[in-house]
Amino acid sequence: GAVVSQHPSWVICKSGTSVKIECRSLDFQATTMFWYRQFPKQSLMLMATSNEGSKATYEQGVEKDKFLINHASLTLSTLTVTSAHPEDSSFYICSARDDSRGWETQYFGPGTRLLVL
Amino acid sequence: AQSVTQLDSHVSVSEGTPVLLRCNYSSSYSPSLFWYVQHPNKGLQLLLKYTSAATLVKGINGFEAEFKKSETSFHLTKPSAHMSDAAEYFCVVSDSYTNAGKSTFGDGTTLTVKP
Repeated sequence: GAVVSQHPSWVICKSGTSVKIECRSLDFQATTMFWYRQFPKQSLMLMATSNEGSKATYEQGVEKDKFLINHASLTLSTLTVTSAHPEDSSFYICSARDDSRGWETQYFGPGTRLLVL
Repeated sequence: AQSVTQLDSHVSVSEGTPVLLRCNYSSSYSPSLFWYVQHPNKGLQLLLKYTSAATLVKGINGFEAEFKKSETSFHLTKPSAHMSDAAEYFCVVSDSYTNAGKSTFGDGTTLTVKP
């Protein structure tokens, strides 16, 4: 089956630093990827839609200057948390929509756990 | 607008007994509906999906769900629970027309399976 990877799986950083998280579709092309955030014991909240070759679309309340998204190719999207603070600590999950299948077919990555000290 | 409500935040069953996880949805158009499972500290795994074909959908690991438009429901069932089914389950609605295919997640249901 289709595979989406995320790197790193775990990251611990100091407050004020920036962290980049990669989301890759390993065996399919993905024009569209999604970034979610999940707090402990809560549901996934969509942060933004990442589109290859164009600007990301952010959900209401998500700071675009804080969470920079770059969809550099049909298999890679990156989320950079700039000047991270403890409240940014969370589980970040990406998903990728398979271009060769229906619009509803998306595959989720394993997630990246971010801890900001 | 689309939304999904998972009616139970926690469900506890004994191993070998049936599982029922309830989900109601709201969508302006014909939605696609999904059930995902998430084990602790893991990503999401697709259990099954409904995309306007057969209303009774069979998924992996013995799970199935029935789409009932009149009740706006998409409940997840399994005839006999296994210990490995203990996890968090999410009902998801997606609509290509009004939301560009973005997914809306329910709050999740924690399934506990007792030996």
